[in-house]
Amino acid sequence: GAGVSQSPSNKVTEKGKDVELRCDPISGHTALYWYRQSLGQGLEFLIYFQGNSAPDKSGLPSDRFSAERTGGSVSTLTIQRTQQEDSAVYLCASSLDRGAGELFFGEGSRLTVL
Amino acid sequence: GENVEQHPSTLSVQEGDSAVIKCTYSDSASNYFPWYKQELGKRPQLIIDIRSNVGEKKDQRIAVTLNKTAKHFSLHITETQPEDSAVYFCAASTGTGFQKLVFGTGTRLLVSP
Repeated sequence: GAGVSQSPSNKVTEKGKDVELRCDPISGHTALYWYRQSLGQGLEFLIYFQGNSAPDKSGLPSDRFSAERTGGSVSTLTIQRTQQEDSAVYLCASSLDRGAGELFFGEGSRLTVL
Repeated sequence: GENVEQHPSTLSVQEGDSAVIKCTYSDSASNYFPWYKQELGKRPQLIIDIRSNVGEKKDQRIAVTLNKTAKHFSLHITETQPEDSAVYFCAASTGTGFQKLVFGTGTRLLVSP
């Protein structure tokens, strides 16, 4: 597709379960970001991948959160032992440049932890 | 790390009025300042951006101004229309080498007919 694709669009899980969220960036985009948006809140930075370099993980809120990017393309955000406060929309974005350029966002994955 | 503050959190105007949203940032090395618009239930989309070598940029009814000395930048929307109603986010780049964007907390703009 032409845009950033995220799946699933909606995920409801029970507290304590693990979840995986997937992001397929725009082809050729070297930079990939994950942000979290809680209800009515801003965009909280989680992690940033640039090419084959080590990712910037400074925004991950706890060691329950991890992310990987395989082959410089698709990325997976994993949340282990989910908690109710993890409920949010997880947005992925990709960029052509090494950061300082337009971000193209996906539609997001809405996570609800019961 | 970079801290971006955005004001006001909500803004209500009448159609045809102007709207101004202000942001401040903390990292003096920041050099890229975009604004994103997020309509209800949709993804954020870039509406305008400015780089640190420019003081002002205009695109039709929207403009952005940057004051690097004071470390603040503003979004100006003139002749507002109901379709301008959305949440607007400012952002600032941070980091050396590989730069990431840190976003403000957003401003909910409501334009009444």
